[in-house]
Amino acid sequence: AQTVTQSQPEMSVQEAETVTLSCTYDTSESDYYLFWYKQPPSRQMILVIRQEAYKQQNATENRFSVNFQKAAKSFSLKISDSQLGDAAMYFCANIEGSQGNLIFGKGTKLSVKP
Amino acid sequence: DGGITQSPKYLFRKEGQNVTLSCEQNLNHDAMYWYRQDPGQGLRLIYYSQIVNDFQKGDIAEGYSVSREKKESFPLTVTSAQKNPTAFYLCASSIMGRTEAFFGQGTRLTVV
Repeated sequence: AQTVTQSQPEMSVQEAETVTLSCTYDTSESDYYLFWYKQPPSRQMILVIRQEAYKQQNATENRFSVNFQKAAKSFSLKISDSQLGDAAMYFCANIEGSQGNLIFGKGTKLSVKP
Repeated sequence: DGGITQSPKYLFRKEGQNVTLSCEQNLNHDAMYWYRQDPGQGLRLIYYSQIVNDFQKGDIAEGYSVSREKKESFPLTVTSAQKNPTAFYLCASSIMGRTEAFFGQGTRLTVV
C-alpha cells in the first residue's frame, strides 16, 4: 500500500538558521511525484516544492530545497535562512498510480524562534 | 481569478442530519479530491474523481457520498451514518492525477 511517513511531529529552528524536515514513502510505482505542502495557521494548503521521480536532480525553490534519495525512498525538505513566516505545518505527499491517488503524511509542525 | 471555492467556511450540523459541502473550481482541472483533517493529524482521503460521472473511494469513505455531474463541481455529503463528522474538510483539484493539487480554503464542520 502507498504510504508516506513523517517521523518528526514537531521541529524548532532559530530565525536565519537551517532546518531539515524528514519524509519517507513507500510506492510500487516507478513513475511518481512527491510534494511538500505548507499549512499556516490560516489552514490554507500551499505548495512549497515538487519533485518528479524520474528526475535525478533535486528540486529547489528559493530558500527551499529537497534531498531526494530514490533508492532509500526518502524525500527531505531543507529550509535555509528560516524566517518567522515559515512557521507552519509541513506535509509531505506522494501521488502514484494511474488513478493519481494523492496521499499525505501526518505532518511536521515547525516553529521559528526569533 | 482562477481557483477553488469551498462553501460554507463554517457549518453546523445537528446529529442525524445530512449536510452537503460545496466545492467548485474554474481551473479546468480533471481530478478533484476531498480530504478530512482532524486536529494534529494529516489529511485523509475521503473520495476522489478523475472524470465526470466517475469517482473512487479513499481511505475513509464510510458515511460520506459524492457526485461529479460537472467537471467544475464535486460536492461532498456528510450523512448521518458518519459517526464523528466534526472536522476540517479540504477540497482539492489537479490537472491530471500526476500533478500537484491546488486546495480550497476548507470548511469547518461541527456537530451540535
